[in-house]
Amino acid sequence: DAMVIQNPRYQVTQFGKPVTLSCSQTLNHNVMYWYQQKSSQAPKLLFHYYDKDFNNEADTPDNFQSRRPNTSFCFLDIRSPGLGDAAMYLCATSRGAEAETQYFGPGTRLLVL
Amino acid sequence: GQNIDQPTEMTATEGAIVQINCTYQTSGFNGLFWYQQHAGEAPTFLSYNVLDGLEEKGRFSSFLSRSKGYSYLLLKELQMKDSASYLCAVSDSNYQLIWGAGTKLIIKP
Repeated sequence: DAMVIQNPRYQVTQFGKPVTLSCSQTLNHNVMYWYQQKSSQAPKLLFHYYDKDFNNEADTPDNFQSRRPNTSFCFLDIRSPGLGDAAMYLCATSRGAEAETQYFGPGTRLLVL
Repeated sequence: GQNIDQPTEMTATEGAIVQINCTYQTSGFNGLFWYQQHAGEAPTFLSYNVLDGLEEKGRFSSFLSRSKGYSYLLLKELQMKDSASYLCAVSDSNYQLIWGAGTKLIIKP
């Protein structure tokens, strides 16, 4: 089945210790997104890629970086996690960028100690 | 600013019908999405409306009125597994998806 896969499902890191979350997709979609979602809040878009074109949201902290080495994979790097970065991180894909349905992976829950 | 409003929480009884409302104020409109999100899981797509009217899909229906900036999601014959959060999201003039905070639906036996 075509899908969006995220690893790991749960990640525990220490304050200030870099962490990388990964996302892969078998849908062959052009667009990949990274969202941060805290409890009972709306998903917050961090950035997205249209193919290799990177689009950063204006209010995404510099602490968050992303890489998309190929169509299938996308990574979220948190350079120095703070306690406020504990959240669910959702990867999503869509075929195009214009009012297209987004398909989400299961998410990675990040805990910062 | 852009804004999506949904009730924070609703309670309904198994077998009943519930309507979850969403009002929006966005710069432009290119469609409205409803997603279901079970606790601790990712959102899953339910429906997309871009024209006024009612779209029916099994037990779930979604309605849109663009002139009123209003949509609702109607869930019929509620089942316990429908307990989840329901998120409304609008695609604005730049095709950015503006998300609501979601409505937590609690189903009681």
